[in-house]
Amino acid sequence: AQSVTQLGSHVSVSEGALVLLRCNYSSSVPPYLFWYVQYPNQGLQLLLKYTTGATLVKGINGFEAEFKKSETSFHLTKPSAHMSDAAEYFCAVSPWSSASKIIFGSGTRLSIRP
Amino acid sequence: DTEVTQTPKHLVMGMTNKKSLKCEQHMGHRAMYWYKQKAKKPPELMFVYSYEKLSINESVPSRFSPECPNSSLLNLHLHALQPEDSALYLCASSQGENSPLHFGNGTRLTVT
Repeated sequence: AQSVTQLGSHVSVSEGALVLLRCNYSSSVPPYLFWYVQYPNQGLQLLLKYTTGATLVKGINGFEAEFKKSETSFHLTKPSAHMSDAAEYFCAVSPWSSASKIIFGSGTRLSIRP
Repeated sequence: DTEVTQTPKHLVMGMTNKKSLKCEQHMGHRAMYWYKQKAKKPPELMFVYSYEKLSINESVPSRFSPECPNSSLLNLHLHALQPEDSALYLCASSQGENSPLHFGNGTRLTVT
């Protein structure tokens, strides 16, 4: 069985500050891990994914995430927030064999203060 | 711009109407999905077509009926919906079962 927990339903940071969105997962098999972003009135867009190999994953728009097996975490970071980063962010996990079994976290709304 | 196209963008329908949502992708993906998303919630999987074989989330009511005319097209037929079915309906595709999902921008459905 798999599950995802996103800590904090709402995170607010100042423009230019570090963004840290937390995600912890539970998986009985080697997981694939994802971060998706959803802007208002749009679908979800893949930010980055971890499958195998390097544990530090770089994505689009300056975001990156680190897979830490010992902590069962996959936190999303960005060194300097932009106003355009305001959106809903979803962490997700799937078994390596099946995207159709992807489990989404409850989401974190990121707000950026001027 | 998304490579998964959904029409219409918005739909308002009465509880006795029959309507269809459409989804198209030209990425050569062999798996297509329908998700339902309520406000401030994550997407919930409704149906999967993988290599044109259907898998169903058994909690989805029969008033929702998927159709996959070919590997590029996916429809969702709606009949006798309830107000609680109002939501954003998202289509997604993936290259295969172990590939990331690519989402369309969704159809905002309101049932009156």
